[in-house]
Amino acid sequence: QSALTQPASVSGSPGQSITISCTGTNSDIGAYDSVSWYQQLPGKAPRLVLYDVTGRPSGVSNRFSGSKSGNTASLTISGLQAEDEADYYCSSYSSSSPVLFGGGTKLTVL
Amino acid sequence: HVQLVESGGALVKPGGSLRLSCAASGFNFRNSFMSWIRQAPGKGLEWLSYIDTDSSYTNYADSVKGRFTISRNNAQESLYLQMNSLRADDTAVYYCARTYGDYMDYWGQGTLVTVSS
Repeated sequence: QSALTQPASVSGSPGQSITISCTGTNSDIGAYDSVSWYQQLPGKAPRLVLYDVTGRPSGVSNRFSGSKSGNTASLTISGLQAEDEADYYCSSYSSSSPVLFGGGTKLTVL
Repeated sequence: HVQLVESGGALVKPGGSLRLSCAASGFNFRNSFMSWIRQAPGKGLEWLSYIDTDSSYTNYADSVKGRFTISRNNAQESLYLQMNSLRADDTAVYYCARTYGDYMDYWGQGTLVTVSS
């Protein structure tokens, strides 16, 4: 099964908002509200920042929000901060695999 | 607090075997699904396998099915990944993670497996 499609990179200035898209198919994102997002700081393990499209784990800033429309999910980070610079991965349940990851997006804070 | 600590990563020759371990603490391990995920150098995340609470159900990615085996010991609060017939493209950092439905809410720091002659 092909990975979910994410842009390779996005960038924004401190204080701005950015959105990272994650495109799948009607066998994964389009079929289930089971999209999650992970933040991976350089040299660190991934950290869950959103689950089930819009759920936010305890301790995650409310600057992180999620949405879904059709086969595309999105992660929005508002009030961008230097500490947000990281790689971000989406994932979804799919009919052929319990966990399908996107290719990852490198966020640069200018 | 929740802690997951992987171990067992090493340099191994193609065709060789390796067993990874993941020691869990700080949560109810015996009631938690667990997963293994890997990340090749400079690449993205790849889900490999998960196991339910009493080892009655396991699932594998096609890339490792038939070569890797996930298992657990609830009494020792440990998760394992037996890896056989290793190939160069298995070179990666391997993470264990607590799995809640379709997402992984806690991850270990990872252990590096290098397959090379």
